[in-house]
This record gives sequence, C-alpha cells and structure tokens, in this order.
Amino acid sequence: EADIYQTPRYLVIGTGKKITLECSQTMGHDKMYWYQQDPGMELHLIHYSYGVNSTEKGDLSSESTVSRIRTEHFPLTLESARPSHTSQYLCASSETRTGSDEQFFGPGTRLTVL
Amino acid sequence: KQEVTQIPAALSVPEGENLVLNCSFTDSAIYNLQWFRQDPGKGLTSLLLIQSSQREQTSGRLNASLDKSSGRSTLYIAASQPGDSATYLCAVALYQLTFGKGTKLSVIP
Repeated sequence: EADIYQTPRYLVIGTGKKITLECSQTMGHDKMYWYQQDPGMELHLIHYSYGVNSTEKGDLSSESTVSRIRTEHFPLTLESARPSHTSQYLCASSETRTGSDEQFFGPGTRLTVL
Repeated sequence: KQEVTQIPAALSVPEGENLVLNCSFTDSAIYNLQWFRQDPGKGLTSLLLIQSSQREQTSGRLNASLDKSSGRSTLYIAASQPGDSATYLCAVALYQLTFGKGTKLSVIP
C-alpha cells in the first residue's frame, strides 16, 4: 500500500543528543517536505526537496539538516538537541509530474527534549 | 507574504447539522488550495484539493469552494457526525504551502 511513514512516533531525549527523524514514502513522489508544528499553531515549512540530491530550507529557520540520497527517503537530523527543539515534526510528499502537487502527510514525530 | 486566516477558531455543533468553515488568504496568486483534517497528536489527512482554475471540489459529504479573486474558500460539511470532530486546516500553495491555524470542530452526539 502506498503510504508515508515516520519513525519514531514519539521521542524523549536529553539536551545535547544527536537525533535523526526518519521519513519514507512508497508513493513514488518526487517532492518531500518537513514541517514543524507547535501546539495550537500553524505548520511551518523547515526543509523541502525536489528530488535526489536536492534540498532547500523553508521559511522557518531551523538548526536541523536533511538529506535526500534516495527518492523515497528524507531523514531530518539534529546534531545537538535543545529544549527549544521540542515540537511535532511532520513529513509530507507530493507528485509534481501530474500537475496536482497535492501533499500527503505522515503521522508525525513528537519530539521532547529535556 | 501570504497570510491565511481561518474563522472561527473553534466551532461546536449538534450532530446532523450542516456547517461551513471559512478560509481567507491575502494573495490571490495561488497554484492550488488544500483542505486537511488533523486529529489530536496525528498527522494531516488531505480532504480536498482545488486547483486555481477550479471553483469547487466535492468528496462525499464535503464540498470545498474557491473564489480566488476575493481570496476566500469555504468547506461545507453536510449532515455532521461525531466522527467529524477534528481540526480542519486550510493551506494555499504557490511555491510552497502556507497554512492557517485551523478550525477546531466538535460535533456533539
């Protein structure tokens, strides 16, 4: 079944740890995105990718980094987590070749940094 | 800079009622508009996508309209059910999606 997956779903870690949030999609989409969402607030785009070896920063400044070595995989890394990184991180993908560009989202990772 | 506003922020209705959620945006130069549903602590589920050249889209009990010139979209939900309780998000796209804060809907049995 075509879908978009995120792991872990929940993560509680201490300050200073390096973490990687995983995102994979089996829909064959070319574009992928990472959003950050604080409780009761809008989603903000932090990174996106048009395809393999393409990554761009979004509107919201973020200390995280991303990579796109395979079409289906778009991991997000925080080298040194801080309490200010506590948030929900949502991964999405879309298909631009059909002209729709409709975005589909994963279930999210809720990150808590102590 | 595009800004998206959703009114009301919260809405409570009895089961069976028809309801309308509103979305407005400041820049009419958009590629498409999407309506999403978000359940607490979960990701987003895409409900409807309207391309900029379209006026409306329908899926089951949902109907979304788009008036690009006035910067408005509405999501109409017919015969609401308790399972419709969720936060509904509107997002407009040009090069990327800009989201509103959402309308939290509660349907009371």
